[in-house]
Amino acid sequence: SAVISQKPSRDICQRGTSLTIQCQVDSQVTMMFWYRQQPGQSLTLIATANQGSEATYESGFVIDKFPISRPNLTFSTLTVSNMSPEDSSIYLCSDTAWEAMVYTQYFGPGTRLTVL
Amino acid sequence: QKEVEQNSGPLSVPEGAIASLNCTYSDRGSQSFFWYRQYSGKSPELIMSIYSNGDKEDGRFTAQLNKASQYVSLLIRDSQPSDSATYLCAVNDPYPPFSGGGADGLTFGKGTHLIIQP
Repeated sequence: SAVISQKPSRDICQRGTSLTIQCQVDSQVTMMFWYRQQPGQSLTLIATANQGSEATYESGFVIDKFPISRPNLTFSTLTVSNMSPEDSSIYLCSDTAWEAMVYTQYFGPGTRLTVL
Repeated sequence: QKEVEQNSGPLSVPEGAIASLNCTYSDRGSQSFFWYRQYSGKSPELIMSIYSNGDKEDGRFTAQLNKASQYVSLLIRDSQPSDSATYLCAVNDPYPPFSGGGADGLTFGKGTHLIIQP
């Protein structure tokens, strides 16, 4: 599987500010995904980031709040805008690989965000 | 809306025994199923994927899928203390590769917290 890195690994931010999270994959992948894991909860899909097209957002997530860029096949960013304490979560990106007859996702190490 | 249900646990199993983790899903159209392991403070790591009815074995792990009953399970044989973690069941609906499409995002269950007692 590809190696996935994320920056920053963690951050503490003030409410009302924005943070951009970077996700880098060491090989070209068509589809990347962004997830959120709130404290003590499981993962929730935010959006799908396809290179060359607009991101597709899940119900409850909007582009104004979570703008996503996908400039090439190895990189994506997620911005958390106008943050509030409720945005405190771990944000994870994943890539997709065709393995054993299924599209398998592998996750980056995550970005732990705390909003004060 | 796809739903994935898991017993949150904790599930406590003696070292060396078999740990059995279960998951049910709501969407009959679901095609692919995954088990991830997540240690505290870490990101999920893939254990196994399965897409056809029956069993799939990989080392000490066996995934079982029953699409008619809409459940998928994970068996861990010879459980070790290092297996103590949260196990996440996930479901997606991949498009056939020849369609030119790609994978759908994953829907996760809430996870089962497994404790292996030494």
